[in-house]
Amino acid sequence: AQSVTQLDSHVSVSEGTPVLLRCNYSSSYSPSLFWYVQHPNKGLQLLLKYTSAATLVKGINGFEAEFKKSETSFHLTKPSAHMSDAAEYFCVVSGWGGKLIFGQGTELSVKP
Amino acid sequence: ETGVTQSPTHLIKTRGQQVTLRCSSQSGHNTVSWYQQALGQGPQFIFQYYREEENGRGNFPPRFSGLQFPNYSSELNVNALELDDSALYLCASSFSLSNLRWSTDTQYFGPGTRLTVL
Repeated sequence: AQSVTQLDSHVSVSEGTPVLLRCNYSSSYSPSLFWYVQHPNKGLQLLLKYTSAATLVKGINGFEAEFKKSETSFHLTKPSAHMSDAAEYFCVVSGWGGKLIFGQGTELSVKP
Repeated sequence: ETGVTQSPTHLIKTRGQQVTLRCSSQSGHNTVSWYQQALGQGPQFIFQYYREEENGRGNFPPRFSGLQFPNYSSELNVNALELDDSALYLCASSFSLSNLRWSTDTQYFGPGTRLTVL
C-alpha cells in the first residue's frame, strides 16, 4: 500500500532563509512523487514531480526536492524564502487506480 | 490553453438534499479525478473517470457518483447529503494513454467547489 507522512504540520521561517519541508513515503511499487502548493481559498498547484528520471528534481519558484530511496524520503527545499511562499504544501504519492495519496499538509509561514 | 474550471464556486445545501458539481477539464486531457478536502486535511480521492468510464474509486459510499461526458467534462453527484459532506471538492484533469490501473500522469487541479451542508 502507498502512504505519505509529512513530518511537520507547521514550519515558520524568516524571509531570505532556507526552507525545508519534510516528507516520508511508503510504496509497494516504484512511486511517482509530487509536491503541490495550495494558497488560501485556492486550488492546488503543481510544484514538481519525480518519476525516476533523476533523484534531484527542480520545480517552479526555486523549489527542489531530492528522492532518497534508502531513506524513503522526498523533502522539499528552497534556498531563500519569500513572503509569497506562505501557503499549505502537500507531499503526494501516486496510488493504484489513478489516485493521488496526499499527506496531511505542512503550513509554511514566512516572517518579514 | 484553458485550465480546469469548476462550478459553482460555493454552494449551500441542507441535510438530505442532493447536489451536482461540475468540472471542465483542461484542453487535451481525457481523464478526470475528483477529491474531497475537509477543513485542515489533505484531499481524499473519490474516483477517476477515463474516457467516460470509472477507472478507480476511493473509500466513499455509493451515494457519491459521477459521470464523464464525450467532451471529457465531468459531474460529481452526491445524494442524501450529510453534515460531514461539507468540504472543498476538487476536480483534476490529466492526459492518459490508457486506463492502466497504475498511472504516473500529472493531475492538474481546478479551484474547487466549497460545499456547506446545514
